[in-house]
Amino acid sequence: GAVVSQHPSWVICKSGTSVKIECRSLDFQATTMFWYRQFPKQSLMLMATSNEGSKATYEQGVEKDKFLINHASLTLSTLTVTSAHPEDSSFYICSALTTPGQGRPGETQYFGPGTRLLVL
Amino acid sequence: RKEVEQDPGPFNVPEGATVAFNCTYSNSASQSFFWYRQDCRKEPKLLMSVYSSGNEDGRFTAQLNRASQYISLLIRDSKLSDSATYLCVVNSGGFKTIFGAGTRLFVKA
Repeated sequence: GAVVSQHPSWVICKSGTSVKIECRSLDFQATTMFWYRQFPKQSLMLMATSNEGSKATYEQGVEKDKFLINHASLTLSTLTVTSAHPEDSSFYICSALTTPGQGRPGETQYFGPGTRLLVL
Repeated sequence: RKEVEQDPGPFNVPEGATVAFNCTYSNSASQSFFWYRQDCRKEPKLLMSVYSSGNEDGRFTAQLNRASQYISLLIRDSKLSDSATYLCVVNSGGFKTIFGAGTRLFVKA
């Protein structure tokens, strides 16, 4: 069964609004979660690494003020796309990294089902 | 040179065929290796980890060659349901995980 959930699974919004996406690890604690973006027919692009209790680490070219990440607990990370524009329309996927001793292979990423964002 | 390289394909094979994918990585310090499968418009799902000794899971066999810095995935007796994009994933320690661009496989009846 699913080990990482994402909510919402899809969202359509007007340009200029902010959209919050939640990522939860369901049966293990995740000190580290990752946020990816994927455009059609392209590979995953890592946006940022989210660490529980500390600031996220953003990849080069990703605006931290536009893509706000909060990792408030060991099972929840959120990504907020602020003032969304049509070019932000994409498939956003989170993953959670396991650590040894939680009943799953250590240091393995499990992905959420993704969130499709369409900005009009 | 990309850190992780895969042949994008597509590989078009008939049902029952055996197909192999290779993936090369540039960082010799890479520590762990995985194959993920991604269906169209879905998230990647872990197919198998790749160990130095090689590992097999049913029709799928993964191998690692550290000397040549490549990993491989062999699929035997291909099924229609194997049609997907196969992502090679390399972890270089810490949280640095690199995804290949993926190899597309189409299995035809």
